[in-house]
Amino acid sequence: GEDVEQSLFLSVREGDSSVINCTYTDSSSTYLYWYKQEPGAGLQLLTYIFSNMDMKQDQRLTVLLNKKDKHLSLRIADTQTGDSAIYFCAVLYGGATNKLIFGTGTLLAVQP
Amino acid sequence: ETGVTQTPRHLVMGMTNKKSLKCEQHLGHNAMYWYKQSAKKPLELMFVYNFKEQTENNSVPSRFSPECPNSSHLFLHLHTLQPEDSALYLCASSQVGGKNEAFFGQGTRLTVV
Repeated sequence: GEDVEQSLFLSVREGDSSVINCTYTDSSSTYLYWYKQEPGAGLQLLTYIFSNMDMKQDQRLTVLLNKKDKHLSLRIADTQTGDSAIYFCAVLYGGATNKLIFGTGTLLAVQP
Repeated sequence: ETGVTQTPRHLVMGMTNKKSLKCEQHLGHNAMYWYKQSAKKPLELMFVYNFKEQTENNSVPSRFSPECPNSSHLFLHLHTLQPEDSALYLCASSQVGGKNEAFFGQGTRLTVV
């Protein structure tokens, strides 16, 4: 099956780094993504990584992929109160169906 | 503005009503998706359309009926829904091939009474 799991909640202080983790079960993934959802809004793509990479950095965001352990993480440096949101990891399984499967979402709460 | 527009933003319907959700994308993408987001549940993939052809139906009850008349438009027809179908319904589109980034609409908040 194609399960994608995340921890439900993370609380950090403003200025600290946040690390949000994600595990998935099916190794036939092609691309992996991180999305952000603010209250009352749709999902906004933050960043992505191709499955043959192990790291990608994009300003304050660092994505790490351990394909052997099927583990993906998102590190947010210098976390701000505006980063408070739900963060979803998503895994793309290619082939004919082109399925994009989302994790359970992690609520990030940033304390001032 | 993500380039994916969903209407209506909010919908309240009775269990015997028939209604439709609409999604339109202005990004030139060739794949469109319906997702259901309920409280305390993961984002659930419902349907996938690639090049207007349905390639995935994730065991969705027949009271939900998708329609994709062209690659820019996607509908979700609703008929005799149950209160547990109340949720946020999200539409997304992407370009198959390459990094296949999905862009989401704002969603339709559906309440079944």
